[in-house]
Amino acid sequence: DGGITQSPKYLFRKEGQNVTLSCEQNLNHDAMYWYRQDPGQGLRLIYYSQIVNDFQKGDIAEGYSVSREKKESFPLTVTSAQKNPTAFYLCASSISLTVIQETQYFGPGTRLLVL
Amino acid sequence: QKEVEQNSGPLSVPEGAIASLNCTYSDRGSQSFFWYRQYSGKSPELIMSIYSNGDKEDGRFTAQLNKASQYVSLLIRDSQPSDSATYLCAVNAGFSNDYKLSFGAGTTVTVRA
Repeated sequence: DGGITQSPKYLFRKEGQNVTLSCEQNLNHDAMYWYRQDPGQGLRLIYYSQIVNDFQKGDIAEGYSVSREKKESFPLTVTSAQKNPTAFYLCASSISLTVIQETQYFGPGTRLLVL
Repeated sequence: QKEVEQNSGPLSVPEGAIASLNCTYSDRGSQSFFWYRQYSGKSPELIMSIYSNGDKEDGRFTAQLNKASQYVSLLIRDSQPSDSATYLCAVNAGFSNDYKLSFGAGTTVTVRA
């Protein structure tokens, strides 16, 4: 089965704690993305990556970090610097970033809650 | 001005009726347009993409694009209760926005049985 997996489904963060959200894809896609969704709002881009060992900040990167050591994997760390992390986090991938008609496909999401 | 704006909703339609969803965008150079459906608590799934002016039909869904008016719409014919969801409009402006997708806030549709 090809697709995008995210884990965990729910994640609880304590004050001052860093947490890491996992995203794995077996679609052989080059580009991967992290979005944040708050209630009643659209998706906002956190980070994106075109190729292994390269990534760029999106619109709301402050308080987050990523790595892209393998083509299949694009983990997101929510650091203690992110003061309002409660949200639904979505990972997406596409064959390529620069093909303008390229579709992005989404994983099932991780819901992060602050204790 | 937001890059992508959608009619705020919620939109309530009776079963069997047509649901009409609207989306406007600010970047005149935008080239690709997508409609995603998102059920409550789930992730978005692509239902339509459109790249050229005019209509594109897929089953009960029709996407309409007018680049001169910077407007894209989605029609859902013969609406079913299973169509109750939030619909997200996404726009790719290409090079001017580093090929990133910009999303609207979504329109929530409720189909009344």
